[in-house]
Amino acid sequence: QVQLVQSGAEVKKPGASVKVSCKSSGYSLTNYAIHWVRQAPGQRLEWMGWIDEGTDKTRYSQKFQGRVTITRDTSASTSYMELSSLRSEDRAVYYCARGNYFDSAGYYFDYWGQGTLVTVSS
Amino acid sequence: QSVLTQPPSVSGAPGQRVTISCTGSSSNIGAGYDVHWYQQLPGTAPKLLIYGTTNRPSGVPDRFSGSKSGTSASLAITGLQPVDEADYYCQSHDSSLVNYVFGSGTKVTVL
Repeated sequence: QVQLVQSGAEVKKPGASVKVSCKSSGYSLTNYAIHWVRQAPGQRLEWMGWIDEGTDKTRYSQKFQGRVTITRDTSASTSYMELSSLRSEDRAVYYCARGNYFDSAGYYFDYWGQGTLVTVSS
Repeated sequence: QSVLTQPPSVSGAPGQRVTISCTGSSSNIGAGYDVHWYQQLPGTAPKLLIYGTTNRPSGVPDRFSGSKSGTSASLAITGLQPVDEADYYCQSHDSSLVNYVFGSGTKVTVL
């Protein structure tokens, strides 16, 4: 069955970077995009960006442009999201999600990782 | 502020029907983009509930249904059950932001 398993919780200092991994199983990473979504405590879901399934092309939310980098290693079936210049407001649960393309709507997210809590504290 | 606006909460007694609205604009729902819905139980990852405005993935009960009109979409839950207590989010594509956007979220309470 399809599964996305993320790396464990992280605690980082302000200004540092964090890299979260997302290992996919039960399907080929080259057939589906991977999107990253975050959720601050008590807040709504917030889309961060995605990596294309066939070309490795990436696109990021304007909010995170310049701070976020999404990559993947198809041989390891693993995707990564790195966020730099961390600040306290970046404390959130970060999710990876498999993107399924739907005509007239772009992607929807049919499978999600379990989430990774990133805490930013001095 | 959210590009897609939902009511903060809705409630209903077991067996009742509740609806959750998702109001957008001419650059997302009003532009013809479909809407997807997710259910998030406390402390867990979101789960896909409806895709392409009206389609249910395998395993999602037919008590859940979606619709769209103009710049808004709706999720209906009929025969409300205690297990339906969760947060619900709509999602679509926004052409002005060239982004995927989520609604502000709605907490459903079963009385």
